[in-house]
Amino acid sequence: TQLLEQSPQFLSIQEGENLTVYCNSSSVFSSLQWYRQEPGEGPVLLVTVVTGGEVKKLKRLTFQFGDARKDSSLHITAAQPGDTGLYLCAEVLRYEKLTFGTGTRLTIIP
Amino acid sequence: NAGVTQTPKFRILKIGQSMTLQCTQDMNHNYMYWYRQDPGMGLKLIYYSVGAGITDKGEVPNGYNVSRSTTEDFPLRLELAAPSQTSVYFCASRTGRPSRVLQHFGDGTRLSIL
Repeated sequence: TQLLEQSPQFLSIQEGENLTVYCNSSSVFSSLQWYRQEPGEGPVLLVTVVTGGEVKKLKRLTFQFGDARKDSSLHITAAQPGDTGLYLCAEVLRYEKLTFGTGTRLTIIP
Repeated sequence: NAGVTQTPKFRILKIGQSMTLQCTQDMNHNYMYWYRQDPGMGLKLIYYSVGAGITDKGEVPNGYNVSRSTTEDFPLRLELAAPSQTSVYFCASRTGRPSRVLQHFGDGTRLSIL
């Protein structure tokens, strides 16, 4: 099973600041998804990246897939309290099975 | 549209007891999954199914069993509960056809083994 490492594990910043979290692998991803999970709920899909070098934007969130498809990043611009949550990356395997990273717990302080 | 429904939401078991976690979906999805999430961690795949009558092991299947007699239901059974099975369990489903809409997750069952 591929190991997906996310960093940082915890991040606490002030509202309005920018931040980047990372997802790294020991081998090449087939495709990668990012999820946000709030307390008491299941993960919610934010984006899927497939092609090396791909960049996708979702409002203030920018997702990048590394050229070699072994890493990905999530950048949030002007963070808001509503961005607080656990951010998970996951590799998509055959039959759409998911291998999740360890997660980054993000807290935005008003 | 209820999506993926899990019951119960919370449960406390004693060591050695057994129970079944229920999962049902109303989207006619072929693929269904069970994951567990330990505190502060990502999710790990326990079992999955690609259709009624077809199941297979995931990354952490030991101590669990599943069945898939209908498209809608995918129950997860713990036969002899152990403290290491204390976790939050998530069921998910998706269509087996190519689609931009991927996995739908339930809200989880929080299970404590004491």
